[in-house]
Amino acid sequence: DAEITQSPRHKITETGRQVTLACHQTWNHNNMFWYRQDLGHGLRLIHYSYGVQDTNKGEVSDGYSVSRSNTEDLPLTLESAASSQTSVYFCASSGGGSSYEQYFGPGTRLTVT
Amino acid sequence: GENVEQHPSTLSVQEGDSAVIKCTYSDSASNYFPWYKQELGKRPQLIIDIRSNVGEKKDQRIAVTLNKTAKHFSLHITETQPEDSAVYFCAASETNTGFQKLVFGTGTRLLVSP
Repeated sequence: DAEITQSPRHKITETGRQVTLACHQTWNHNNMFWYRQDLGHGLRLIHYSYGVQDTNKGEVSDGYSVSRSNTEDLPLTLESAASSQTSVYFCASSGGGSSYEQYFGPGTRLTVT
Repeated sequence: GENVEQHPSTLSVQEGDSAVIKCTYSDSASNYFPWYKQELGKRPQLIIDIRSNVGEKKDQRIAVTLNKTAKHFSLHITETQPEDSAVYFCAASETNTGFQKLVFGTGTRLLVSP
């Protein structure tokens, strides 16, 4: 069955380290999104992509980057991890066109110490 | 940009009662309004959505209403059950340009007591 996966599911890192969170989907969806979820803030968009080689900044993009070299993957990189980036990160994808539903991955809990 | 406000932040009901969650949005160009349910420790999942060309949509015990003039939409859950306990998020998006970027509300924690 087609699915969307994230790895790792849990990560503890130190301040200043570079961290990459993986997101992989097998639906062949054009659209992929990264969100962070914090208590009281809901889901906030970090970066998104509408296809290969396309990336765009969301509302909380500072300190994060993404790249889209193929349809299936959108890795999220924290260039220099900060304690304020401790959060749960969700990747999502949607088919585009008239298909608006976003399918979420299982999430990655990141702790920056 | 779009801003979505959601109320209440927490809602406690007795099993069998109805629950209503309300959202307002700011961008009159928004035309797609989904609702997601997130159980504890799980991923958000779409439960119902509505597009701006209709005013109401129902799916069994859940329904969504949209008032474009007032820029607000609501989720209605009837005959609540303990398994309805979760966090519910509303969202808004403008899709005419082909983009599907969602702006989410801050969530409502619904607790259904037996």
